[in-house]
Amino acid sequence: QSVLTQPPSASGTPGQRVTISCSGSSSNIGSKTVNWYQQHPGTAPKLLIYSNSQRPSGVPDRFSGSKSGTSASLAISGLQSEDEADYYCEAWDDSLNGVVFGGGTKLTVL
Amino acid sequence: QVQLQESGPGLVKPSQTLSLTCTVSGGSISRGDYYWSWIRQPPGKGLEWIGYIYYSGSTYYNPSLKSRVTISVDTSKNQFSLKLSSVTAADTAVYYCASRGRTGSSGYYFDYWGQGTLVTVSS
Repeated sequence: QSVLTQPPSASGTPGQRVTISCSGSSSNIGSKTVNWYQQHPGTAPKLLIYSNSQRPSGVPDRFSGSKSGTSASLAISGLQSEDEADYYCEAWDDSLNGVVFGGGTKLTVL
Repeated sequence: QVQLQESGPGLVKPSQTLSLTCTVSGGSISRGDYYWSWIRQPPGKGLEWIGYIYYSGSTYYNPSLKSRVTISVDTSKNQFSLKLSSVTAADTAVYYCASRGRTGSSGYYFDYWGQGTLVTVSS
C-alpha cells in the first residue's frame, strides 16, 4: 500500500480534459513539493511536473499540476493518444525520512 | 545532457547479494546539489525508492530496505553502485538509477533516469 494514494485508472477521449489525484498527509504533500512522472510501457519514467506546478523544458503546456493542502492533481487537457501511459506522483515524507511514490494511475485514451 | 546507464547481472540467486552500477556521462557526479538515486519497479507494479547518495558519500535509504542496502559512489569513475543483500523473489524488479536535482530553490525531483535493468531473483 502506497503512502500517496492515486486512483488505479483514469480514462478520457481525445480532446478531453482529465485529472489525476494524489492524496497524502501533512508529513508529505502537506509540507513538501509534489512531482509527477509519466511512464510508457517498457520505458523509464519521465519527469512531467516538478515543484507542484512547474513544467520542465519540452513538456507540453497541456500538462499542468496543482496542490492544495494534503492533495495534489495532475491535469491533462486536449487529451491525445500518446498520453496513454502510467502516471506517478512523488514527494518527500518527513515521517518516513524518505521519498514516497503514489501507486500509479493508468490512463487510457478511449 | 546527463545520461545514466545501469549495468550488472540480470539473474541473482536467492539469499545472495544483488550488485548494480550506474555510470554517469555528460556531467560530473561531484556536482553539488545532486543526489544519485536507485529506484525499482517490480513487474506490473509501481515505483519504489531504494535510496540515494551525495558525491561526498552521505546516504539516505528507504527505511523498509535499510538493513539490506548499501549505496556507494566512485567519483573517479563517475559511477555509483547499489548492493542489496539477502535477496528473495520479492526483489525481482527493474532497477533504475536516476539523478535527483532541483532548480533554484525548488524542491528536489528525479530529472534524469537510466533505461533500467531487469534483475530476476531465482535459483
